[in-house]
Formats: sequence, structure tokens, C-alpha cells
Amino acid sequence: GAGVSQSPSNKVTEKGKDVELRCDPISGHTALYWYRQSLGQGLEFLIYFQGNSAPDKSGLPSDRFSAERTGGSVSTLTIQRTQQEDSAVYLCASSLGVDQPQHFGDGTRLSIL
Amino acid sequence: QKEVEQNSGPLSVPEGAIASLNCTYSDRVSQSFFWYRQYSGKSPELIMSIYSNGDKEDGRFTAQLNKASQYVSLLIRDSQPSDSATYLCAVTGSQGNLIFGKGTKLSVKP
Repeated sequence: GAGVSQSPSNKVTEKGKDVELRCDPISGHTALYWYRQSLGQGLEFLIYFQGNSAPDKSGLPSDRFSAERTGGSVSTLTIQRTQQEDSAVYLCASSLGVDQPQHFGDGTRLSIL
Repeated sequence: QKEVEQNSGPLSVPEGAIASLNCTYSDRVSQSFFWYRQYSGKSPELIMSIYSNGDKEDGRFTAQLNKASQYVSLLIRDSQPSDSATYLCAVTGSQGNLIFGKGTKLSVKP
């Protein structure tokens, strides 16, 4: 399909383990965003990549969270030493650029035991 | 702190009625406004975007923007049970990300 692709769709891991979440944006979209949505809550902005510019990391909740985007396309969100409060759905979105509509992937449901 | 405010609902309307969803935002420099629909357990789906003052119609949906009042709304005409979902208002922030409201839950009763 031509939409935003995220993997894995579900991830269950033990507290203290590291996890990597992957996002493959829509082809040609220069902007890529990561959000987090806890159960019954709104969307929380995490990080934003625009082209080759330095990412806006202002939404990352702690230094355990990091993200990279290789070749201006695929992005990986890494959470180190996971905690139970990290349990949430992690959503990736992409857009043609700033101020353009963002299109979301199906998300990764992360559960920390 | 830039904010987007929505009535959490639930908003309940009978089938065939007009559903009116409202949103206010705090950042006067915001330029782009979006409405997303989110079904339970699913990711947000874009349904409308609006960039200038006035109304924008797309099928049964009409988005209305008033930048002076910092107000954006979504009207759904001839509401159907399949419209039952949470509707998220989103506004672009200064960093280019979207700032989302917490959403209004809409229930359309047959």
C-alpha cells in the first residue's frame, strides 16, 4: 500500500529492556512525526523530522527516548530501559511538509510488563 | 503552553441530524487546521483541512474557521451511525508539529 507503515504492530516486553519501533513514511513525504497516545488520552507529540534539518526533539519525555531518520525516509524510535509508564500506542505520521495534512500509520501498541 | 480545547462529550445526536463539533485554540499564529476522526482502537484519519477564514465543504462535512475568534468547527450533516467516533481538532504549532485537542466523542443513535 501507499500509506505510512509501522512495525511491529504490537510489542510486549519486560521492564528495563530496550525497544525499537519503525516507521516507513509515504513516498515523497519530507516531514515525519512521532506521537504517543496512552489509553483514553489525547495525542502527545514526541519528535519531528523535516528533510535534512535537525529534528525537533522538544516533545521527547526523557533521555531514554531517541529517534533517527536514515536517508530522509525510514525512521526508528528507540526507547531504552523501558518503564511501565511507556506503555502506549506509538503513532507515526508523515506529510509533504510543514502545514500540510499529516497521514498516520496504524501505530505500534507497546506493552511493558 | 499552546493549547487546543474541545468539549470531550459524549455528543449524542439522532441519525439524520446535524452534529456540530467545536474547537478553540490559543496560538494566534497558527495557520493550518485539521479535523481527524478516530475510531476506537484505530489511528486518526484525516477528514478535513482548512487554512483560511470561512467555510469549506466536502460531502456531508463542513469545516468553519474564524481566526479572529480562534475558533474552528466541524458540521456533519445527515449523521450516520458509522460517524460515531472521536473527532480530533488539530492545529499546527510553531515547530511544525500538530497540536491536538483531546477529542470529542460523537455517538449517532439509529
